[in-house]
Amino acid sequence: DSGVTQTPKHLITATGQRVTLRCSPRSGDLSVYWYQQSLDQGLQFLIQYYNGEERAKGNILERFSAQQFPDLHSELNLSSLELGDSALYFCASQGFRSGANVLTFGAGSRLTVL
Amino acid sequence: GDSVTQMEGPVTLSEEAFLTINCTYTATGYPSLFWYVQYPGEGLQLLLKATKADDKGSNKGFEATYRKETTSFHLEKGSVQVSDSAVYFCALRSGGTSYGKLTFGQGTILTVHP
Repeated sequence: DSGVTQTPKHLITATGQRVTLRCSPRSGDLSVYWYQQSLDQGLQFLIQYYNGEERAKGNILERFSAQQFPDLHSELNLSSLELGDSALYFCASQGFRSGANVLTFGAGSRLTVL
Repeated sequence: GDSVTQMEGPVTLSEEAFLTINCTYTATGYPSLFWYVQYPGEGLQLLLKATKADDKGSNKGFEATYRKETTSFHLEKGSVQVSDSAVYFCALRSGGTSYGKLTFGQGTILTVHP
């Protein structure tokens, strides 16, 4: 167990629908990153939050949005889903421990759009 | 922009064989370089890292040396085991900071047979 919890582990839905993926970071970590892993695009950075504020944006579609709440958990909202949105979505949290900044990944949420 | 290129996979080896997975990068400034490993059904785990030129990262028998002159960070292991079967990702973080997004290569699938 990495300490980063992602739910749900698996999700199957239809085109046009909306889903929410949830991430609980490691205790004490203020920074959360979202990544999308697909067969054709590899691992793509979507967005980063630090202590509730958006810090960096990557290849995130306008149909996608995210936020980080006061308790530091984060949610990634995917709307108007398309077949191409089927992928593994990873959350990672970052914090300072043992003298280094450590990035820890969750096990991912696998989204299948039918 | 930043990019990472890994050798095409999959790579199939017999146990105790020598492993090399090539990784080259393009980045501005002096990036930090990483190798991550992903076992089936799990998130990415940091395998090793190097933060400046000529640094050698090592862990669990794996090694990689940061070569600025050839912009490379090749992963090597002298004797692979079946348990090393996984997907390996090379990644960089640019800007010389210890925070910020990682840019990943496309991943290399390694299968080790007994």
